[in-house]
Amino acid sequence: SQTIHQWPATLVQPVGSPLSLECTVEGTSNPNLYWYRQAAGRGLQLLFYSVGIGQISSEVPQNLSASRPQDRQFILSSKKLLLSDSGFYLCAWSAAGNTIYFGEGSWLTVV
Amino acid sequence: ELKVEQNPLFLSMQEGKNYTIYCNYSTTSDRLYWYRQDPGKSLESLFVLLSNGAVKQEGRLMASLDTKARLSTLHITAAVHDLSATYFCAVVGRPGGATNKLIFGTGTLLAVQP
Repeated sequence: SQTIHQWPATLVQPVGSPLSLECTVEGTSNPNLYWYRQAAGRGLQLLFYSVGIGQISSEVPQNLSASRPQDRQFILSSKKLLLSDSGFYLCAWSAAGNTIYFGEGSWLTVV
Repeated sequence: ELKVEQNPLFLSMQEGKNYTIYCNYSTTSDRLYWYRQDPGKSLESLFVLLSNGAVKQEGRLMASLDTKARLSTLHITAAVHDLSATYFCAVVGRPGGATNKLIFGTGTLLAVQP
């Protein structure tokens, strides 16, 4: 069966520090991968999606970036965090045209 | 631009009662999803609706889709406390595409009171 893991689960970072969130999927190949963000008490916003290694599409302009160095690995990064980057970050995967499944989420607090 | 709206945003209901959550979307889409989110947790897939008139049921939850009206409903029958959560509908942003870019509604926070 397929599983998705992301880490770290929680982190507190100072403004201006870098960020790296990692996500891996097991039990499938060539998945579509996604990063979503959920601000406190809000809905989910799609940040990035990827249909293959090295293929990244950005949905919103921001100081975040994503990379897909391997087929089942998706990384969310920032060089300098802003207060507004705080939120709940969710990695997700799907086979083409099928249901999207979410990871456990990562709580980021920028202080 | 595809927009997805849910109502109500907050729903407080008594155990044993029935209620419906509504999800409207602005442009054509070929599938609609319902997810559940418990506080501080990730999202759990509940239903995927693929065609006009589709109806799916799981326990006390039943979801339906009317693609002509661009409307989906999530009906709760005889609510129990365990159903308390936030429910999201989500619509595929590019119909027929393979990327499955989901656009989420605002969510409905459901609180079932004893």
